[in-house]
Amino acid sequence: QQQVRQSPQSLTVWEGGTTVLTCSYEDSTFNYFPWYQQFPGEGPALLISILSVSDKKEDGRFTTFFNKREKKLSLHIIDSQPGDSATYFCAASGTGGYKVVFGSGTRLLVSP
Amino acid sequence: EAAVTQSPRNKVAVTGGKVTLSCNQTNNHNNMYWYRQDTGHGLRLIHYSYGAGSTEKGDIPDGYKASRPSQENFSLILELATPSQTSVYFCASGDRGGQDTQYFGPGTRLLVL
Repeated sequence: QQQVRQSPQSLTVWEGGTTVLTCSYEDSTFNYFPWYQQFPGEGPALLISILSVSDKKEDGRFTTFFNKREKKLSLHIIDSQPGDSATYFCAASGTGGYKVVFGSGTRLLVSP
Repeated sequence: EAAVTQSPRNKVAVTGGKVTLSCNQTNNHNNMYWYRQDTGHGLRLIHYSYGAGSTEKGDIPDGYKASRPSQENFSLILELATPSQTSVYFCASGDRGGQDTQYFGPGTRLLVL
């Protein structure tokens, strides 16, 4: 079964610090990698995404990196804020498919 | 704004009973998905649909049926609910398959006693 492995399972960082979440995958046909953010009591929402033709994408304080050779991706949050406290999911999908495979999630707590 | 709604938001069911979870989207998206979310497993795909009248099995379809009677509505049916189906269920919609943004509903928390 296709898998996306995500770590750590949970993470606490101080306000203003940098958060780093990582994921790895196995299926070489995956070429689209979204990150979803989920607040308690809500459904996940797309935060940022990257295609396999790129190695970096930025959106404000959020940056995702992609390493095709190592089949790894990461999400960096600079100047982390208490409002960033949420669960983050990496995911992966391939061309022409309907399915997205999600990682197990990282619960982030940013302490003031 | 894109909108996916789910009902009920909370449900308590008895083992062996029938449970129907409903999802409605006003995005006019072709694709709809049902996931369950459990600690340590992330989101796992149960069933999906790429248009009215179609349903496809996801990664964990056993014990679940799905129905897509219209573009807007997608239901998940548990004919004989079991305690192992206690979970939070999310519906999502999208328009271009796996590489599209998926818009999620707020979830349904199901407890099977």
